[in-house]
Amino acid sequence: EPEVTQTPSHQVTQMGQEVILRCVPISNHLYFYWYRQILGQKVEFLVSFYNNEISEKSEIFDDQFSVERPDGSNFTLKIRSTKLEDSAMYFCASSSRARDTQYFGPGTRLTVL
Amino acid sequence: AQSVAQPEDQVNVAEGNPLTVKCTYSVSGNPYLFWYVQYPNRGLQFLLKYITGDNLVKGSYGFEAEFNKSQTSFHLKKPSALVSDSALYFCAVRDISGSSNTGKLIFGQGTTLQVKP
Repeated sequence: EPEVTQTPSHQVTQMGQEVILRCVPISNHLYFYWYRQILGQKVEFLVSFYNNEISEKSEIFDDQFSVERPDGSNFTLKIRSTKLEDSAMYFCASSSRARDTQYFGPGTRLTVL
Repeated sequence: AQSVAQPEDQVNVAEGNPLTVKCTYSVSGNPYLFWYVQYPNRGLQFLLKYITGDNLVKGSYGFEAEFNKSQTSFHLKKPSALVSDSALYFCAVRDISGSSNTGKLIFGQGTTLQVKP
């Protein structure tokens, strides 16, 4: 069964450093999403991406964040200058159509020191 | 604004007993509702969804959910709980408001299900 994969599973970084979180969505899916979950809190929407551009973003997704689909398979989330409060589990998701079921990856746990 | 509430932080049930994990929602228009499960150190796994049709929706691993429009609820149920069902369960609603054109999901805070042998 196809699944969304994410790498790395755990990333530790120093405050102010750039990180790139990587995702490989399900191959025939066209819509891609990033969500995050701060420890003990809700899963929150960050951004959605379709046709090589951002479709929608939340207030959390400020200028420090960017997303890219550099090739036909990867979907990345970049945080330019990490802050302590960026520490969270980041989930990638994909769906075949805009309003279809979203399938999630296993997540990347980002720890900012 | 669309929102989801899961009123219980934790639900405890004995193995073999029926389980219910509660979810209520607030949406404008018809709701698109989902349940996901998260096992320790794993991602969110899709369990089931309600879009339209029968109020009782069947999903993976023997779970089902009942959509109740008058009570704005979408409770997750299973007739006989297993120890392996112990996990964190999230209810979610798709944002179909005019401000969302990609149907992002809005999640509840999650309910920990503990099934004891």
